[in-house]
Amino acid sequence: AQSVTQPDIHITVSEGASLELRCNYSYGATPYLFWYVQSPGQGLQLLLKYFSGDTLVQGIKGFEAEFKRSQSSFNLRKPSVHWSDAAEYFCAVAAGGNDMRFGAGTRLTVKP
Amino acid sequence: EPEVTQTPSHQVTQMGQEVILRCVPISNHLYFYWYRQILGQKVEFLVSFYNNEISEKSEIFDDQFSVERPDGSNFTLKIRSTKLEDSAMYFCASKGEVDNQPQHFGDGTRLSIL
Repeated sequence: AQSVTQPDIHITVSEGASLELRCNYSYGATPYLFWYVQSPGQGLQLLLKYFSGDTLVQGIKGFEAEFKRSQSSFNLRKPSVHWSDAAEYFCAVAAGGNDMRFGAGTRLTVKP
Repeated sequence: EPEVTQTPSHQVTQMGQEVILRCVPISNHLYFYWYRQILGQKVEFLVSFYNNEISEKSEIFDDQFSVERPDGSNFTLKIRSTKLEDSAMYFCASKGEVDNQPQHFGDGTRLSIL
């Protein structure tokens, strides 16, 4: 069965600094991979997705993620973090684009 | 852009009572899902629904839970006899038929069991 691991529960970065959130997945084939963001009390907003093709995918709000098959990773990056990026970030994996499994989430705090 | 809508946004219910959470998926979507997020924890898959039947369910989705698509637009989650531990945020999602499409999530219903 597919599973997702987000090793970092909480990350704090300074505004303007770069960001990388880690995600590792376990699945027999190449899954569909997603990053979602959740602000407090809000729903889940899709940041970006990977299905096939170019392993570097661009998303909304200046985020990007790179799929590395050899490392079973799909890390999320942003070159310069804004205070409004403070939120909970979830990596997710789906088999055949269907039933989705989420990681435990990484809470991002942005220092002024 | 079409959205998944969920009602109510907050539901407060006495323990032991039945509760129905409602969702209106995106109109041309064919796959429907319910997820649960207990406060401070990760989002957990409950059930997926396609072609008027459950296609997969997790161990959380026991006999207390049921889903239904009563008409062409609504998708409901019923909890028959609520327990304190059912308190959570419940998210509905829907997806189109093509494989390489993401699931679209509603804003969730916060369920509080007293």
